[in-house]
Amino acid sequence: DAGVIQSPRHEVTEMGQEVTLRCKPISGHNSLFWYRQTMMRGLELLIYFNNNVPIDDSGMPEDRFSAKMPNASFSTLKIQPSEPRDSAVYFCASTPTLVGTEAFFGQGTRLTVV
Amino acid sequence: EDKVVQSPLSLVVHEGDTVTLNCSYEVTNFRSLLWYKQEKKAPTFLFMLTSSGIEKKSGRLSSILDKKELFSILNITATQTGDSAVYLCAVVPGTGTASKLTFGTGTRLQVTL
Repeated sequence: DAGVIQSPRHEVTEMGQEVTLRCKPISGHNSLFWYRQTMMRGLELLIYFNNNVPIDDSGMPEDRFSAKMPNASFSTLKIQPSEPRDSAVYFCASTPTLVGTEAFFGQGTRLTVV
Repeated sequence: EDKVVQSPLSLVVHEGDTVTLNCSYEVTNFRSLLWYKQEKKAPTFLFMLTSSGIEKKSGRLSSILDKKELFSILNITATQTGDSAVYLCAVVPGTGTASKLTFGTGTRLQVTL
């Protein structure tokens, strides 16, 4: 299995632009998580899905952030408009069951907003 | 709100030393605690701990959980330069929702020659 696949690996954009991050979870996994990692705050859970349905988006920082999971093999995290403080590494992770197993992480997207 | 605190924040040791990394937590209805190793990219899974007092071991790494005192330790013996990484601790609540991991900020370990 190729693991969790994220794209792009790096993104540099100007403030105010829309940014879309993509994730393909491991086949057969039914839970998907979006995390953001910064030096100051560590790994923060933004939102997670189970069977393509958003379960908890309380970690999404602002209305500028939105996430979708149109099918079991694809999810997007969108930031519109982007701001410099959104600069971070964004990780996608998936788990094979709803509760109690470890999460498998993608390689992350390093976002820089200038 | 679930909380995970790791210590020390960073550590520099010489190759061959033994290190102990600490993780304390506060979580509603604890289910499990996970340790991850993060080098330059994605966190990679090390251990899952659910029961107190049972040591998990993998090569030079071992970990144990104390559910009464709400902490876990990760030991690395005979450290090597390849052990240099950020070690992350995460807890999973026992409520009937997804594996909503709450991470600590990590311990940055540097092993020097």
